[in-house]
Amino acid sequence: NAGVTQTPKFQVLKTGQSMTLQCAQDMNHEYMSWYRQDPGMGLRLIHYSVGAGITDQGEVPNGYNVSRSTTEDFPLRLLSAAPSQTSVYFCASSVQGWNQPQHFGDGTRLSIL
Amino acid sequence: GQQLNQSPQSMFIQEGEDVSMNCTSSSIFNTWLWYKQEPGEGPVLLIALYKAGELTSNGRLTAQFGITRKDSFLNISASIPSDVGIYFCAGTSGNQFYFGTGTSLTVIP
Repeated sequence: NAGVTQTPKFQVLKTGQSMTLQCAQDMNHEYMSWYRQDPGMGLRLIHYSVGAGITDQGEVPNGYNVSRSTTEDFPLRLLSAAPSQTSVYFCASSVQGWNQPQHFGDGTRLSIL
Repeated sequence: GQQLNQSPQSMFIQEGEDVSMNCTSSSIFNTWLWYKQEPGEGPVLLIALYKAGELTSNGRLTAQFGITRKDSFLNISASIPSDVGIYFCAGTSGNQFYFGTGTSLTVIP
């Protein structure tokens, strides 16, 4: 029972490089979302998806792209990494809606030099 | 953007003491949730609240949805060492989901 799986767990990038953070869930959840967690600021919603083929922006979407071609996968793309995107990134999924328990992955620690 | 303000920012308490933390927002929330996060892991849901005035317990944890819908509190009774972690409030406002800034709890045995 894998739950929500994020890869990689750690990554260091140079400014301007592109990268995709992977997120997969095996619970057949409709809702999936990406957050970034910075010290003293809690988690902030980047993008979310309410089902395959449907995505929308969260609180801090700039610099990130997402797609949802399948129910299971919800990758997050950084097109041109910037030092301000250094953070811990969490992917989460829930059966349906924000008021349902969200299951979080263990996070990806990303450093941009 | 929306920001949920949690207080206190951190707490250091003796084992066995009760803990109280709260969360306030500048706008009305439709749902309030409380999560706990331990080092190196993602947050885990503790309690979900769905209507104003609702009081819900989960073991030693009790949370309430404020009447104004702009605040919520979480109480932990008779704290134990495994209560250590960061507690986040979260909630829905409009079609968005927001997390609070977190309360770091340290329990001294």
